[in-house]
Amino acid sequence: KAGVTQTPRYLIKTRGQQVTLSCSPISGHRSVSWYQQTPGQGLQFLFEYFSETQRNKGNFPGRFSGRQFSNSRSEMNVSTLELGDSALYLCASRLRDGSDGYTFGSGTRLTVV
Amino acid sequence: AQSVSQHNHHVILSEAASLELGCNYSYGGTVNLFWYVQYPGQHLQLLLKYFSGDPLVKGIKGFEAEFIKSKFSFNLRKPSVQWSDTAEYFCAVKRYNQGGKLIFGQGTELSVKP
Repeated sequence: KAGVTQTPRYLIKTRGQQVTLSCSPISGHRSVSWYQQTPGQGLQFLFEYFSETQRNKGNFPGRFSGRQFSNSRSEMNVSTLELGDSALYLCASRLRDGSDGYTFGSGTRLTVV
Repeated sequence: AQSVSQHNHHVILSEAASLELGCNYSYGGTVNLFWYVQYPGQHLQLLLKYFSGDPLVKGIKGFEAEFIKSKFSFNLRKPSVQWSDTAEYFCAVKRYNQGGKLIFGQGTELSVKP
């Protein structure tokens, strides 16, 4: 089966701009989670969506938001970008009970200049 | 706050050496436990997981991990490492009532010398 697909792979943005990242989960997976990976903070949970509803949210400012569509695809938006938002953003999908674990995509590398 | 601690930041081994990477978590309730591996330039891949039952779980590529509830630990082991095991290893914990939220350790970078 196809894996988790994230687009774009790389992105360069200027401070103050906004950005939208996309994630297509594995077919049949209805839960999508987002994580931020940085060398200093490691992997940190951003939020999770299931059936178009946000189920859980990490400790990130309101500039970070997301949504999920009826086909389970998800988008993440970051507004008013800051230099510290430079990171690898990972998306993971799973079956509802998570019994098969969480499958991660290759990520979107965001660089804010 | 719940945390996940990985004891070693960087481990260097020679091929055929045995590996044990430590992982401890601070939450006392029911948890699901995971080890992920991230090879250079690649995405996170699931090595193994523990949900319930036998505390000794076997994963892919010869890895195994033992869940010791009394010690809040989930250490990863491999009897004989190969150069291709060079990667970063992450332990992750999911609390029973927190949906899909994984809390990751800081990661352990493993370098295997040929």
